[in-house]
Amino acid sequence: AQKITQTQPGMFVQEKEAVTLDCTYDTSDQSYGLFWYKQPSSGEMIFLIYQGSYDEQNATEGRYSLNFQKARKSANLVISASQLGDSAMYFCAMRERTTSGTYKYIFGTGTRLKVLA
Amino acid sequence: DTGVSQDPRHKITKRGQNVTFRCDPISEHNRLYWYRQTLGQGPEFLTYFQNEAQLEKSRLLSDRFSAERPKGSFSTLEIQRTEQGDSAMYLCASSLGVGDTEAFFGQGTRLTVV
Repeated sequence: AQKITQTQPGMFVQEKEAVTLDCTYDTSDQSYGLFWYKQPSSGEMIFLIYQGSYDEQNATEGRYSLNFQKARKSANLVISASQLGDSAMYFCAMRERTTSGTYKYIFGTGTRLKVLA
Repeated sequence: DTGVSQDPRHKITKRGQNVTFRCDPISEHNRLYWYRQTLGQGPEFLTYFQNEAQLEKSRLLSDRFSAERPKGSFSTLEIQRTEQGDSAMYLCASSLGVGDTEAFFGQGTRLTVV
């Protein structure tokens, strides 16, 4: 069963506008972490923002905010005031505990964002 | 702190050859992960180390793959008898292991098997 679902293969946004990238997740754990990463064409995965399952406030990091709706199991990324440099692949990820007691990160298939001038 | 470093950045090899990749994590990070990413997909988990102990291996890690992390510092990922299906980006990540912290990724090694 897919654990992280990103239903938008590609998105366009006008420069300076806000954009929401969708992410839903599936887990039976009570404690988990949700992350967003940006992957530009260079290939490096850049950490953007983190939300803990027990955090009551939505996480914010500069122009990035995470719209966390626990009951709906969604963790959408909102980018405000888009810039041309925001054009990249964006991955939603979940850190979950494995059956052996260790941890691993599970990624969605990503959303390619293109910011238009 | 120079971040997670991977070497080489690119590797082209002939089918059947062995290849080895290296990952140097952020120095104080005791958790290290290897991932594989094929075109148009998200990273897929391969294996996890806590210090020098390899605690988790994915079913994707066939017996042609082996990973080590001697002394709990750098790690190597070896692929023996490479196949064309091994062509992918191999990403290494490390994390502090205290609390629920993010993983920091290297720039990856892009493997092409011809």
